[in-house]
Amino acid sequence: KAGVTQTPRYLIKTRGQQVTLSCSPISGHRSVSWYQQTPGQGLQFLFEYFSETQRNKGNFPGRFSGRQFSNSRSEMNVSTLELGDSALYLCASSLGGQGGEQYFGPGTRLTVT
Amino acid sequence: DQQVKQNSPSLSVQEGRISILNCDYTNSMFDYFLWYKKYPAEGPTFLISISSIKDKNEDGRFTVFLNKSAKHLSLHIVPSQPGDSAVYFCAASALDSSYKLIFGSGTRLLVRP
Repeated sequence: KAGVTQTPRYLIKTRGQQVTLSCSPISGHRSVSWYQQTPGQGLQFLFEYFSETQRNKGNFPGRFSGRQFSNSRSEMNVSTLELGDSALYLCASSLGGQGGEQYFGPGTRLTVT
Repeated sequence: DQQVKQNSPSLSVQEGRISILNCDYTNSMFDYFLWYKKYPAEGPTFLISISSIKDKNEDGRFTVFLNKSAKHLSLHIVPSQPGDSAVYFCAASALDSSYKLIFGSGTRLLVRP
């Protein structure tokens, strides 16, 4: 079974631009979560989608948004990029029930200059 | 407010010996705990998990122990192998938001040949 895939793997953007990252979950998984990893803050939860609905959101500004499609694929968007948005963005998928493991993709490394 | 803490940023162990990685948490609502291993430029890889109704879970060389009264969990790796060298994260989730993982800051394990 194929794992979680994320595209693109690397991205360089300029301050003020916007970016869209994509995540394809493991087949059969209906839940997709997004995390941001930075050296200073570690791994932080952004939001989670299940059956096209956002179930929970972390403490990030409204510039960070996401969506999920009917095939469970998900995208996250960051608008008006800031230097501090430079990070590894990780997507994780799971079956979506209570408890249960989340399986991570390789991440998208975003650099904002 | 760090709800999940890994107080040891690094650990060095001789090959064949036991590695013990520790994690403390503050939120009494957490009821599911996971350990992930992460190599540079890759997403975290799920290792082992434990529910709050148990105090021990084993999977091959990996055992996780949970002490609910002390709000402490540990991961034991026996015997340690050089390929185990990576950053280890513990994570926790609460029943009412089990898809939202709260991560510790990680412990870098080095297994010396």
